[in-house]
Amino acid sequence: GAGVSQTPSNKVTEKGKYVELRCDPISGHTALYWYRQSLGQGPEFLIYFQGTGAADDSGLPNDRFFAVRPEGSVSTLKIQRTERGDSAVYLCASSLPTDTQYFGPGTRLTVL
Amino acid sequence: GDSVTQMEGPVTLSEEAFLTINCTYTATGYPSLFWYVQYPGEGLQLLLKATKADDKGSNKGFEATYRKETTSFHLEKGSVQVSDSAVYFCALSTNAGGTSYGKLTFGQGTILTVHP
Repeated sequence: GAGVSQTPSNKVTEKGKYVELRCDPISGHTALYWYRQSLGQGPEFLIYFQGTGAADDSGLPNDRFFAVRPEGSVSTLKIQRTERGDSAVYLCASSLPTDTQYFGPGTRLTVL
Repeated sequence: GDSVTQMEGPVTLSEEAFLTINCTYTATGYPSLFWYVQYPGEGLQLLLKATKADDKGSNKGFEATYRKETTSFHLEKGSVQVSDSAVYFCALSTNAGGTSYGKLTFGQGTILTVHP
């Protein structure tokens, strides 16, 4: 079956702009995670959804970052007033409760 | 807070050589431990996992044993192949139930290159 998909695969934006990154989880997966991976580093946790609600958003770096999952399936990560330091690969993962996380290919965000 | 430390890389080996990638962790509670692999151009994939002390995870010839006394989860393979060239990440999760439920904390990754 289809895996986790993320769009766009690449996003280039200018400092100060607003961006949205989309994640389509595996069908039926109720848990959804966002991570951020900087060059040469491991992924860092941002936020976790169980269904429609954010069960843990402790990894969001500041209030410019926000994520939603209104119908318990697709999720959107929103970044306001982007900064050059936001440049990274943003990874999405989904899972059944108490099961392995399956990762998408990521969205590479570049802020000029 | 929770943290994972991997041996500094990159690691370069000849085909059929023995591989060890060291991983140690610091965690509150009783973590589950994982190795993820990222092949060139692909997404992160779970390679193996262990959920309690002395458990051995294994897959594709790779093994790792959960050592609570040394807080370690070293990855080993007896004979590497060119196709094993990838980036390997050690990770932990401290959510209850010995599962990957909840956030993963990753190490910085180790690049493995295997030459013919």
